Amino acid sequence: DADVTQTPRNRITKTGKRIMLECSQTKGHDRMYWYRQDPGLGLRLIYYSFDVKDINKGEISDGYSVSRQAQAKFSLSLESAIPNQTALYFCATSDWGLAESPGTQYFGPGTRLTVL
Amino acid sequence: AQSVTQPDIHITVSEGASLELRCNYSYGATPYLFWYVQSPGQGLQLLLKYFSGDTLVQGIKGFEAEFKRSQSSFNLRKPSVHWSDAAEYFCAVGPILTGGGNKLTFGTGTQLKVEL
Repeated sequence: DADVTQTPRNRITKTGKRIMLECSQTKGHDRMYWYRQDPGLGLRLIYYSFDVKDINKGEISDGYSVSRQAQAKFSLSLESAIPNQTALYFCATSDWGLAESPGTQYFGPGTRLTVL
Repeated sequence: AQSVTQPDIHITVSEGASLELRCNYSYGATPYLFWYVQSPGQGLQLLLKYFSGDTLVQGIKGFEAEFKRSQSSFNLRKPSVHWSDAAEYFCAVGPILTGGGNKLTFGTGTQLKVEL
């Protein structure tokens, strides 16, 4: 089984709709991240969380919100989707405590979101 | 602020030829450096990473990368490319922050095409 899972894998929605993307991990990591990927722009950080009580904005958080329901679950919401939020969204996890791999992030398979 | 530059958007090589993908970073101290690969429809897979020590690091799938502090570079190399290496490659830099986060900054990616 995959260590980092994302649901749904694909989603088509309409402008103005609320949508939630979910991420779960079995790696036991404390840190979780949400990125979006756009062609030619690489990955940009939306939100990140160091633990259940610590959530931080990334470089492009406007229009998004997150919820860290448990150490293993981190959800991304679009309160009112707009077409320029059409992108590939990735969840990632990391564990600062692993001395041999500090800072290494492990990615889920991605969610392709289309906003019409 | 940290930044990563991947100057080559697209690279085409023949199968069996050698490969070098360029990555330059901007950071005030020695950062953590990573290379990830994204195959079509897949998430990002870690190829290799550099934290400290030997500046030539070996990764999976026969890839290696060399950290050159004087050039602020972390170029990825492979002596003989296989058709299955066709993918998008991302370089990333992360800060060494004690007790803090380990946010990564990604380059915009290099798309590798392999000609048979």
